[in-house]
Amino acid sequence: KAGVTQTPRYLIKTRGQQVTLSCSPISGHRSVSWYQQTPGQGLQFLFEYFSETQRNKGNFPGRFSGRQFSNSRSEMNVSTLELGDSALYLCASSLAGAQGNTIYFGEGSWLTVV
Amino acid sequence: QKEVEQDPGPLSVPEGAIVSLNCTYSNSAFQYFMWYRQYSRKGPELLMYTYSSGNKEDGRFTAQVDKSSKYISLFIRDSQPSDSATYLCAMSPTGGSYIPTFGRGTSLIVHP
Repeated sequence: KAGVTQTPRYLIKTRGQQVTLSCSPISGHRSVSWYQQTPGQGLQFLFEYFSETQRNKGNFPGRFSGRQFSNSRSEMNVSTLELGDSALYLCASSLAGAQGNTIYFGEGSWLTVV
Repeated sequence: QKEVEQDPGPLSVPEGAIVSLNCTYSNSAFQYFMWYRQYSRKGPELLMYTYSSGNKEDGRFTAQVDKSSKYISLFIRDSQPSDSATYLCAMSPTGGSYIPTFGRGTSLIVHP
């Protein structure tokens, strides 16, 4: 079956702009989570959505937001981009987002802020 | 101190060597332990998943958990150049948020 699909794969934005990243989870998966990965900080959890509701949230400023649609597809938005937002943004899906559920990652969206 | 510590490497070994990758952690509530492999410019993929203490083997890979020492390991036998990747450990507690906490990853290079 198809894996987690993220679009776009690569993008370049200017400081102050905003960006929207999209994620299609594995069919049947209802939990979608987002992570930011940088060489300095590693993989950091942004937020998790389940049945269109944000269920868990990491320690990121309010410029980072997300949503989930009724078909489980998710988007994340970063407003007022800063140079430090340059990172690989990873989406992961799991069946129900519960203990013991494997999470599967997409290929990621590479964001460069200039 | 970060909850999960992992040496970033790089760790360079010759083909055929036994590789040991390790993580230490501070949260005694962690019960689920995972290892992910991430190739360059790709997303992480799950390699091994263990619950509580003990060993788990899958082909050339063995995951080991020592909860008394708060130390987990991933062993790779007969390492291959195709094993060259970044290996991330991750762990989560029982109850509460299941969201795993990741180590920063160890870069492994297996040279022919």
